[in-house]
Amino acid sequence: EGQLVESGGGLVQPGGSLRLSCAASGFTFSSYDWHWVRQVTGKGLEWVSAIGTAADTYYPDSVKGRFTISRENAKNSLYLQMNSLRGEDTAVYYCARAGYYGSGIVDYWGQGTLVTVSS
Amino acid sequence: EIVMTQSPATLSVSPGERATLSCRASQSVSSNLAWYQQKPGQAPRLLIYGASTRATGIPARFSGSGSGTEFTLTISSLQSEDFAVYYCQQYTYWPYTFGQGTKLEIK
Repeated sequence: EGQLVESGGGLVQPGGSLRLSCAASGFTFSSYDWHWVRQVTGKGLEWVSAIGTAADTYYPDSVKGRFTISRENAKNSLYLQMNSLRGEDTAVYYCARAGYYGSGIVDYWGQGTLVTVSS
Repeated sequence: EIVMTQSPATLSVSPGERATLSCRASQSVSSNLAWYQQKPGQAPRLLIYGASTRATGIPARFSGSGSGTEFTLTISSLQSEDFAVYYCQQYTYWPYTFGQGTKLEIK
């Protein structure tokens, strides 16, 4: 049974930076696409970034140029570097696996880590 | 960006009855549509992908249908554990997008 554990969330001031990490276990990490998806408390889900097996990366316009996703297959780890943070980035950030059923289909989720952007 | 619209926002159904949830895409996403269930304090759980294929371990009472722009998730006989929020998601175009969710509550 696989497991995803996020860390690195917390309180940060507007304009600040934060780096999220996701440790994966029980998977052949290198074989999958990995994603970050966020959820404002009590609201819906929003895709934040994705990285393919060839380290190709994807971002929506809302975070492009501010967020950077990366992967380290040797450490079974996924990262999200978040810069120039804004209040609207406040959310729970989920690490998520895709690729078992097909690209873009998330079948494993972490428990989430809360990022709060506030002065 | 593809906009996914779910209806209704809230659905009140009695246990044992059927629930039908709808999802509409702003343009065709073929059959690249997934459904997720989310309970309070938990991460989403994949139910359906490819518009109609159940993920491993998902009970047969969950079924999906549709293609193009109109999709439906049907839960044939609601159990107490099925009351949750349900999201549809398209994975044809990046950025992948979710609907705003349908809250399925006990009547």
